[in-house]
Amino acid sequence: NAGVTQTPKFQVLKTGQSMTLQCAQDMNHNSMYWYRQDPGMGLRLIYYSASEGTTDKGEVPNGYNVSRLNKREFSLRLESAAPSQTSVYFCASSANLGLNEQFFGPGTRLTVL
Amino acid sequence: GESVGLHLPTLSVQEGDNSIINCAYSNSASDYFIWYKQESGKGPQFIIDIRSNMDKRQGQRVTVLLNKTVKHLSLQIAATQPGDSAVYFCAENKEGAGSYQLTFGKGTKLSVIP
Repeated sequence: NAGVTQTPKFQVLKTGQSMTLQCAQDMNHNSMYWYRQDPGMGLRLIYYSASEGTTDKGEVPNGYNVSRLNKREFSLRLESAAPSQTSVYFCASSANLGLNEQFFGPGTRLTVL
Repeated sequence: GESVGLHLPTLSVQEGDNSIINCAYSNSASDYFIWYKQESGKGPQFIIDIRSNMDKRQGQRVTVLLNKTVKHLSLQIAATQPGDSAVYFCAENKEGAGSYQLTFGKGTKLSVIP
């Protein structure tokens, strides 16, 4: 099992460009999450999906959209990238929405110039 | 401000010694806490969790202690090894019972001296 995979690993964008970060999990988990991690700060939840077909906003959703394509895949889209979105993005999944272990992917390091 | 914080941003310990990483939380309604380990260039990895109806929980070489009176959480690592070098995050369900969103602290960097 690969666990949680993310693509790309690195990306550089210019201000105003758009891109989609991809995430997939092979653990048959129902719930998936997107976080961002900035230097000196903890992980902050952007969006989450309790189950296939549902998405909800987290702590910092502005400037992002998500799609739960199917049970395995959960993508994060930046429609018009801004320098403030320079960060490391982590996708995670858990068996169900609730207080339990989340499994994280390796992250995508995004720089917006 | 940050509801989950750490007393020390860095911690250096000698290999073989025990490590204690501390975490303070501000919301007495939080009823779930979790510790993650993050090695350089990798995603966070689950270590151990604890619910508010417990004071202590043990795993393999790790123990989490919860003191609800002073809203303090600690992670103890026994016989620290070089492979334990990482950043450790605590997290809580800040919104309290029924909330599934985790609020993460800023992390403590643990360095193990061989």
